[in-house]
Amino acid sequence: QKEVEQNSGPLSVPEGAIASLNCTYSDRVSQSFFWYRQYSGKSPELIMSIYSNGDKEDGRFTAQLNKASQYVSLLIRDSQPSDSATYLCAVNLGDAGNMLTFGGGTRLMVKP
Amino acid sequence: DARVTQTPRHKVTEMGQEVTMRCQPILGHNTVFWYRQTMMQGLELLAYFRNRAPLDDSGMPKDRFSAEMPDATLATLKIQPSEPRDSAVYFCASAHRGRGETQYFGPGTRLLVL
Repeated sequence: QKEVEQNSGPLSVPEGAIASLNCTYSDRVSQSFFWYRQYSGKSPELIMSIYSNGDKEDGRFTAQLNKASQYVSLLIRDSQPSDSATYLCAVNLGDAGNMLTFGGGTRLMVKP
Repeated sequence: DARVTQTPRHKVTEMGQEVTMRCQPILGHNTVFWYRQTMMQGLELLAYFRNRAPLDDSGMPKDRFSAEMPDATLATLKIQPSEPRDSAVYFCASAHRGRGETQYFGPGTRLLVL
């Protein structure tokens, strides 16, 4: 069983809708959680980090963390075609220093 | 605009040849990571360094891969001899321990071994 799990998708949403991306992780002591966006042929770029239970909002993006249920999600409001990319969930599992374990990514397609 | 740089951006080589990839981390970052990304396996950690010392290289095939940090501004990843199954995109990322764990990725080296 993978330590960080994501649905590979593709997740298809119409322009203007809310896209909801989910991620589950295996280690209860994980403390740091990250969402990266990766466009085709490009490198991953950080969108959000979250460390505490609850919601964290940044513009159109909201990260949600529930440590008891071991999941973290990313909501994208007012989705735009430019949001079409693969979204990678990354978790600092246990006491792993700076090490992150990445999920396989969810491919998001926003249709005009 | 601080960013991680990697060279070369693309490399095509023949099986059995040595491949060297280079990474310059963001100035002031003390942690450097090497990842490999393929369609089948996704993003895999190969090795990482803190303050130039290797901390974990368990993800790296030891018989053919080696990673070093000759100084704080240069990290290298070598494959010798290369094999077709090494074809992938190799990313370097850097972070600063003590300022959170956010990793910043370089543009990657796209390697094709024929």
